[in-house]
Amino acid sequence: AQSVTQLGSHVSVSEGALVLLRCNYSSSVPPYLFWYVQYPNQGLQLLLKYTSAATLVKGINGFEAEFKKSETSFHLTKPSAHMSDAAEYFCAVSPGGYQKVTFGTGTKLQVIP
Amino acid sequence: NAGVTQTPKFQVLKTGQSMTLQCAQDMNHNSMYWYRQDPGMGLRLIYYSASEGTTDKGEVPNGYNVSRLNKREFSLRLESAAPSQTSVYFCASSEGDSNQPQHFGDGTRLSIL
Repeated sequence: AQSVTQLGSHVSVSEGALVLLRCNYSSSVPPYLFWYVQYPNQGLQLLLKYTSAATLVKGINGFEAEFKKSETSFHLTKPSAHMSDAAEYFCAVSPGGYQKVTFGTGTKLQVIP
Repeated sequence: NAGVTQTPKFQVLKTGQSMTLQCAQDMNHNSMYWYRQDPGMGLRLIYYSASEGTTDKGEVPNGYNVSRLNKREFSLRLESAAPSQTSVYFCASSEGDSNQPQHFGDGTRLSIL
């Protein structure tokens, strides 16, 4: 069965600093991978997704993620954090892109002024 | 430009009561989903509908029923509410039969006493 592990349930960064949110996956077949963002009292929004094309995926709001098969990782990065980036971020996997998505437990990002 | 609309936004029930959570999308999407979100557990799929008239169980279907009334609407029913069903419920939709939720509603916060 597929799974996703997000390292760190809470991450704090200073405004302007690099954002790095870690995600490792397990999948029996080549996966599709996703990052979603959830702002307080809202539903999830799709930030970006990897579908076996380019390994570096660019998403909305300046975020990007790199698929590394050898490390089974799909970490989310942003060069410079903004206060508006404070939210909870979820990594998710779909084996082969045709099986139902499995979500990680989420990482809450705090941005310190 | 509503996207996915869920009603109600908040609800408090007593154990044993029944209720239906409503969801509607205006994007002409084929697939619709119901998830529950609990602290530290990410999102878990309750039921899924790939098209009007079809539904499939997800990871945690026990205690719930669903109805895909038409292409726009997908309702979730709790027949006899239990305290373990206290959660935030999200409806989502996506194009085609993708198994990958794209758009989420803002959630229904349900407390069962």
